[in-house]
Amino acid sequence: SYELTQPPSVSVSPGQTARITCSGDALPKQYSYWYQHKAGQAPILLIYKDTERASGIPGRFSGSSSGTTVTLTINEVQAEDGADYYCQSADSGDTWVFGGGTKLTVL
Amino acid sequence: QMQLVETGGGLVKPGGSLRLSCVASGFTLSDYYMNWIRQAPGKGLEWVSNMSTSGNNINYADAVKGRFTISRDNAKNSLYLQMNNLKVEDTALYYCARDFYQYNSAENYYYYHGMDVWGRGTTVTVSS
Repeated sequence: SYELTQPPSVSVSPGQTARITCSGDALPKQYSYWYQHKAGQAPILLIYKDTERASGIPGRFSGSSSGTTVTLTINEVQAEDGADYYCQSADSGDTWVFGGGTKLTVL
Repeated sequence: QMQLVETGGGLVKPGGSLRLSCVASGFTLSDYYMNWIRQAPGKGLEWVSNMSTSGNNINYADAVKGRFTISRDNAKNSLYLQMNNLKVEDTALYYCARDFYQYNSAENYYYYHGMDVWGRGTTVTVSS
């Protein structure tokens, strides 16, 4: 089955830039979506259609796409950004697939 | 305020059954495609199933196909997941989530904008 590959973890100091990648063979043809998930809370939609910021999401969060890799960039990282981040894209037909998730640690 | 609340989780033995519910408030659930997603302990998000607005388009992940059934009660504004023949590997926190599609009139096309409303989940534990 189709897979999206994310790094298990990314670490960054406050005020620095974090980049989380997501790779998949179909990403040049299918849009990607990004979610932030903190333990005990509902996941939050951050980015849709590769680069569009969801409603209410700070401008520090942005998405980009290049070939088979999409990237979530968080500028000026804050302590509150520490969370798990997931990419999502279409699998076959009307089904979805999530990446394995990336744990962002703010040092 | 749009909200989803899942209930129905619990402890069940392998081979048993459980029915999860997801009640929507602040919007009409049948106006949206709806999903079930799960997260096993220490693992990432896994898409499980979805249902179209009409109810005619239903999809399942291979891991649950033939065992799980998604359904909806419009009068109760609720989504359900009937889970039969449960396995230990079905142990997870189960979320329901709304798909958001935005209509582009210039292109006469609905673009998918992601899962924009999620519940906080209900825990299913399958253990003997």
